[in-house]
Amino acid sequence: AQSVTQLGSHVSVSEGALVLLRCNYSSSVPPYLFWYVQYPNQGLQLLLKYTSAATLVKGINGFEAEFKKSETSFHLTKPSAHMSDAAEYFCAVSGGRDDKIIFGKGTRLHILP
Amino acid sequence: DSGVTQTPKHLITATGQRVTLRCSPRSGDLSVYWYQQSLDQGLQFLIQYYNGEERAKGNILERFSAQQFPDLHSELNLSSLELGDSALYFCASSGNWVEGSGNIRPFFGPGTRLTVL
Repeated sequence: AQSVTQLGSHVSVSEGALVLLRCNYSSSVPPYLFWYVQYPNQGLQLLLKYTSAATLVKGINGFEAEFKKSETSFHLTKPSAHMSDAAEYFCAVSGGRDDKIIFGKGTRLHILP
Repeated sequence: DSGVTQTPKHLITATGQRVTLRCSPRSGDLSVYWYQQSLDQGLQFLIQYYNGEERAKGNILERFSAQQFPDLHSELNLSSLELGDSALYFCASSGNWVEGSGNIRPFFGPGTRLTVL
């Protein structure tokens, strides 16, 4: 079985500062890991995904995440926050091919001017 | 545009009623997943169909049912609706990908917002 824990339901950072959203996973099989973003009143957009290739994954909008098996973590980072990054971010895990995706509870990112 | 379509976009109904939500997957995708997003429960996996057959079941209530048709579109039926069923319902689709190819899905549709009054 798979599960995901996102640390911090709300995170606030200043514009231009580093964004760090934390995610820890649990999986009985080698996991596939995802970060999705949801803007207000919109659907889910895939930011990036880890599928057992490179451990440092680059996504859209300048985001990246690093898979650390020893820490069972998949934290999302962006060097410099932009006002347009304000949204809810979901970390998710899957057991692989055609397996369902299990989501964390989400972290709402606030960008301070 | 993810290629997954959901209808209707919005649905307002009363308690005790029954509604049907429709999802058309991306062309060629065999798997369809249904999720419910509510303020208190977050994003919950409901059910998955693969090529017409139920593949996995999550936190789906007995009042809810789903099916996937031969043309691969799927419907989620919600009956005896309660106020707490008000939520955003997402459909996602994926297909057979080659391990390690990086061609991982699924892609999510825009959702159907259900309001039960």
